[in-house]
Amino acid sequence: DAGVTQSPTHLIKTRGQHVTLRCSPISGHKSVSWYQQVLGQGPQFIFQYYEKEERGRGNFPDRFSARQFPNYSSELNVNALLLGDSALYLCASSPERVGKKLFFGSGTQLSVL
Amino acid sequence: KNQVEQSPQSLIILEGKNCTLQCNYTVSPFSNLRWYKQDTGRGPVSLTIMTFSENTKSNGRYTATLDADTKQSSLHITASQLSDSASYICVVSPSPERAAGNKLTFGGGTRVLVKP
Repeated sequence: DAGVTQSPTHLIKTRGQHVTLRCSPISGHKSVSWYQQVLGQGPQFIFQYYEKEERGRGNFPDRFSARQFPNYSSELNVNALLLGDSALYLCASSPERVGKKLFFGSGTQLSVL
Repeated sequence: KNQVEQSPQSLIILEGKNCTLQCNYTVSPFSNLRWYKQDTGRGPVSLTIMTFSENTKSNGRYTATLDADTKQSSLHITASQLSDSASYICVVSPSPERAAGNKLTFGGGTRVLVKP
């Protein structure tokens, strides 16, 4: 079975642009969470979606948005990119809304120049 | 503010030796504490998960301990191998009543380098 897949793996953008990151959860998993990991730090929670509804939001500005599709895949959108948005963006899927079984993808490395 | 602090920040050990990583947390109440291994440029992979009632959990050469009274956890790596070189992250999940789903609190990680 395929694990959590994220695309693209790497991305270079300039300040002010917007970006869309994509995530496909493990088959059968209905929960998708997004995390931002700045180099040298632990991941920070951005969003969780479960059954296509937002179930949690971290302390991130409104420039960050996300959605989940009927097939449970998800997109993370970031508008008006800033240099500080450069990070590894991780997607994690889980079969439950609140559960111990959390599986991470390999992430999308975003560089903002 | 709920926090998870890890020490040391980085560690160099010789292949075959043991090491212990520390995690102190202030998240309260909490549902479970997890240790993840993260290779450079990859997503974290779960090593152990412990609830507040569990004192120890093993996964091969990895053994995690938890003292819920002092809010401390440790991860012990036995007979280290070159493939153990990675970041090890301590993660605390708040209790289900307060948790917004998977709004986990991650520590900054300990970077372990195993040298031959």
